[in-house]
Amino acid sequence: AQKITQTQPGMFVQEKEAVTLDCTYDTSDQSYGLFWYKQPSSGEMIFLIYQGSYDEQNATEGRYSLNFQKARKSANLVISASQLGDSAMYFCAMREAPFGYSTLTFGKGTMLLVSP
Amino acid sequence: ETGVTQSPTHLIKTRGQQVTLRCSSQSGHNTVSWYQQALGQGPQFIFQYYREEENGRGNFPPRFSGLQFPNYSSELNVNALELDDSALYLCASSLEKGMNTEAFFGQGTRLTVV
Repeated sequence: AQKITQTQPGMFVQEKEAVTLDCTYDTSDQSYGLFWYKQPSSGEMIFLIYQGSYDEQNATEGRYSLNFQKARKSANLVISASQLGDSAMYFCAMREAPFGYSTLTFGKGTMLLVSP
Repeated sequence: ETGVTQSPTHLIKTRGQQVTLRCSSQSGHNTVSWYQQALGQGPQFIFQYYREEENGRGNFPPRFSGLQFPNYSSELNVNALELDDSALYLCASSLEKGMNTEAFFGQGTRLTVV
């Protein structure tokens, strides 16, 4: 079973609108971290936002917010007021430490295209 | 910019050859991880080094090996290259602090095996 599932291969949104990118995860650990990264065509993975499994409030970073529903094991990214520069691949990732070291497991990503 | 640099940015190799990819970590980071990202996929964890020792490995064969140096720079070596090794290889450095450890990625090395 996939640990991170991103069901939207591609999303289209108009500039200045909000968009939600879906992410569900699978883990039996109580302690884990959820991340969203943006990958432009240049290849570099850019950190956007983090949510810890014990955090009671949803994380926010500027125009990015994370809709964390622990019981549903979902961690959706909400981008408000989309900009043309938001066009990129977006990856949801989970950090766990099942073997004593922690590492990131990524989903397959969602391509977001923002149109004028 | 993340302060993580990788070299070279692009590379073309022939099947059966060996390749070395390099990564310079962000200052102060003691952990480096390498990921392979095939076209249209998310990054897959190869291995991780902590203070110069490999402390974790994903589902990759032994022909993928690495080193981390005292200055925390790192190498990824791949022997006997196969066509399926064609991918973007990403290096990520971090200062390990638990689940909220943020990984800082380089821009990647795009390897093409022909």
